[in-house]
Amino acid sequence: EADIYQTPRYLVIGTGKKITLECSQTMGHDKMYWYQQDPGMELHLIHYSYGVNSTEKGDLSSESTVSRIRTEHFPLTLESARPSHTSQYLCASSELGAGNQPQHFGDGTRLSIL
Amino acid sequence: AQKITQTQPGMFVQEKEAVTLDCTYDTSDPSYGLFWYKQPSSGEMIFLIYQGSYDQQNATEGRYSLNFQKARKSANLVISASQLGDSAMYFCAMREGRDGANSKLTFGKGITLSVRP
Repeated sequence: EADIYQTPRYLVIGTGKKITLECSQTMGHDKMYWYQQDPGMELHLIHYSYGVNSTEKGDLSSESTVSRIRTEHFPLTLESARPSHTSQYLCASSELGAGNQPQHFGDGTRLSIL
Repeated sequence: AQKITQTQPGMFVQEKEAVTLDCTYDTSDPSYGLFWYKQPSSGEMIFLIYQGSYDQQNATEGRYSLNFQKARKSANLVISASQLGDSAMYFCAMREGRDGANSKLTFGKGITLSVRP
């Protein structure tokens, strides 16, 4: 059973607010990822990290930023939320150097910007 | 060109019957991995099965098996003895290159499966 946690599960908030989506894992995984997924659509990688102090942008451009100060924690921040940011955000982690190991996902945060 | 193609419209299957969900992929890298995930309406992503490009046999995990046809670049998921709880979206994903250098996944658009009682 994967131990990766996302909070909040749901968030409805007004335009212009600063938002931080939390993601933590207890498996000691070096690699962590953030995906954005619109309802009924595919996942798009927006950020990833291969370890502490390492962050990279993903395949889909995003106005969000991430940080990786501790192995277990990979928060995503939106400085000024807009309606176009409404989506589901999924966090995942995986082991380093294990090609057949899957990414383990959290339950996601469903974000709605009014 | 899309790297992962899932073109089936919503799929329906009778409970206890088998169903095949199609996935084709496109890569020039000889080393790659293919994953299938299940996403119920609650939103979480559940890993189902993995197939490596060098694996000699088709992967199996319980009621899930993978029909891997390398020359055709297809990796279809077969679910046997469907259950009502199998109703969900199913995503095929690919990792290119030997892991260590790249573990990013590219996902297909997904297929919705509905199991009828």
